[in-house]
Amino acid sequence: QKEVEQNSGPLSVPEGAIASLNCTYSDRGSQSFFWYRQYSGKSPELIMFIYSNGDKEDGRFTAQLNKASQYVSLLIRDSQPSDSATYLCAGVFRVDAQKLVFGQGTRLTINP
Amino acid sequence: DVKVTQSSRYLVKRTGEKVFLECVQDMDHENMFWYRQDPGLGLRLIYFSYDVKMKEKGDIPEGYSVSREKKERFSLILESASTNQTSMYLCASSPGLGNSPLHFGNGTRLTVT
Repeated sequence: QKEVEQNSGPLSVPEGAIASLNCTYSDRGSQSFFWYRQYSGKSPELIMFIYSNGDKEDGRFTAQLNKASQYVSLLIRDSQPSDSATYLCAGVFRVDAQKLVFGQGTRLTINP
Repeated sequence: DVKVTQSSRYLVKRTGEKVFLECVQDMDHENMFWYRQDPGLGLRLIYFSYDVKMKEKGDIPEGYSVSREKKERFSLILESASTNQTSMYLCASSPGLGNSPLHFGNGTRLTVT
């Protein structure tokens, strides 16, 4: 099993709806998780990070971490066409705390 | 804003050539990383460095080497380029270990013919 797994999609959501992106991980002493957005042909940019169980909100974005169930999710409220991108989930694990481990990314399309 | 600059946006090289990819960051970050990104495989770590002249292998170091002579500069070297090294290469830096987010450069799309 890969350490961080995402459904590669594509995920298609109508404009204005909530987009839900999910990520699961193998239990290697999880520490913290990051969500990156990557537009086609561009480099990844950080959206949010989360260290603790529960929800963390930043504008239209909410990250959720459940360490018992080993999943991380990103909710995007009031989805806009400009949210269309690939979303990368990445985690830091205690056994190898110097590096981020990335999932393969989920391609999201917001339909006007 | 953190700026991570990769020297080339596009590069075309021939099989067997020695290739240098350069990366410079301007925020005095301790850590620097080289990833490659391929469709369906996501980002895979090639090498990283947490200090000048220090380097650690990532998940796919074969066929690559790195150099970090100065804190701000991290170079990726393809000793003898092969067609399976055609990829997008991303450099990143971060201020500390693990929990610090990465700041990425714009990437270098390398084609080996």
